[in-house]
Parts: sequence; structure tokens; C-alpha cells
Amino acid sequence: EAGVVQSPRYKIIEKKQPVAFWCNPISGHNTLYWYRQNLGQGPELLIRYENEEAVDDSQLPKDRFSAERLKGVDSTLKIQPAELGDSAVYLCASSLGGRAGDSDTQYFGPGTRLTVL
Amino acid sequence: QKEVEQDPGPLSVPEGAIVSLNCTYSNSAFQYFMWYRQYSRKGPELLMYTYSSGNKEDGRFTAQVDKSSKYISLFIRDSQPSDSATYLCAMINTGGFKTIFGAGTRLFVKA
Repeated sequence: EAGVVQSPRYKIIEKKQPVAFWCNPISGHNTLYWYRQNLGQGPELLIRYENEEAVDDSQLPKDRFSAERLKGVDSTLKIQPAELGDSAVYLCASSLGGRAGDSDTQYFGPGTRLTVL
Repeated sequence: QKEVEQDPGPLSVPEGAIVSLNCTYSNSAFQYFMWYRQYSRKGPELLMYTYSSGNKEDGRFTAQVDKSSKYISLFIRDSQPSDSATYLCAMINTGGFKTIFGAGTRLFVKA
């Protein structure tokens, strides 16, 4: 079974440029998460989707970040314009969904490593 | 103060040693406790999951939760060089869906 797929794996851009990340979750997983992981830190949730609905975007910097999950499957995360402080690894995860606990076991993709110069 | 505190290490041990990794937390509403392993340039993968207080064993791995002390541990027996990775503790509160991660402890197991 294929895991969570993310692309690109690496991205280097100059500040003020836009950038987009793509995620394909595990088939059948209703819940999709975007996390940001800074160097030497644990992942921090940016946004969580239940199917097409963003149910928790409280940590998403909405002035420059946007996300969408059309048709409740693939998702894209966009930053426009990027700032130096956005350099990090952006992780996508998916889970079956529903309630916390076993059914919320998250499976992570390999991440996109973003460098903003 | 962070909700979850974890010593970043690095922790270096010889092959075959018993490894103890720990996290403390401040939110008494946390009920679900997890340990993830993250290899370099990979995403985290779930190792162990426990609900509330107690112990759980899976092969060489044992997870312990002490809710009275707000302290969780992961023990690795007979550590192997392939165990070299960053270990992240994570927690979810009752009825919630938001996972809070520790900063991760880097572990090196020397052959």
C-alpha cells in the first residue's frame, strides 16, 4: 500500500516568491493534516481537514498561507509571499478520521524541505 | 512554558544498551500518549500508543505513562544501530484531535 506522497521533496526560493506543496494521502483516509517542523523541533499543526472541510486552521498564518483540499483527497498548501522564517520542513499526514485515539493514528509523508533565501 | 518538554539530547549509547527516553507535560487533559520515530529526512512514524496511565510493551519497546507525575517514558532494550533516529513524544487531550509533539530526542546507537 502506498504511503502519503508529497512533492516536491525540496524547494529553494527567494523571499517574497510564492511556493506550493502538494500532498496525496493514503487511500480511504478522510483526515489530512499539514504540519510545519522547524529544525530541532517537533511538528506543529498548521491545518486539519475532515474530508473537504478545514476543521482546525487556528495555527495557519492566514495572511500568507492558504490551503485547499478539493474533492476531499489531494491537498495543496501555498505560501505567498514567502519569508525567511518560513524555512522548515512541511509535513503532510493522513488518518482514517473520526475520534481521537487509535482511529486517529497519523501516517506521515516524507515532507517538503523549504529553504527561503 | 511548553505544554510538552523533551530533552533534545543527543543521547549516545553502545549497541545492546537499554535506552530511556522521557517527556514531561503540563496539561492534565492529555489522555492519549504516543512515541514516534523519525529518521533523517523522513516523516515521523508511530512506534507506540498508550491510553491513560500504565505500561505497554511491543518487542524491544516499552512505553510507560505516569499521569500523576505527568511523565511518560519509552524504553528500548538491546538497542541496535538501526534505532539511531529522533524520538518524538506526542499527546492528545480528551475529546480532542490536536496532537502536541515534543521537540524530539536524537539517539545514536554505536556499533
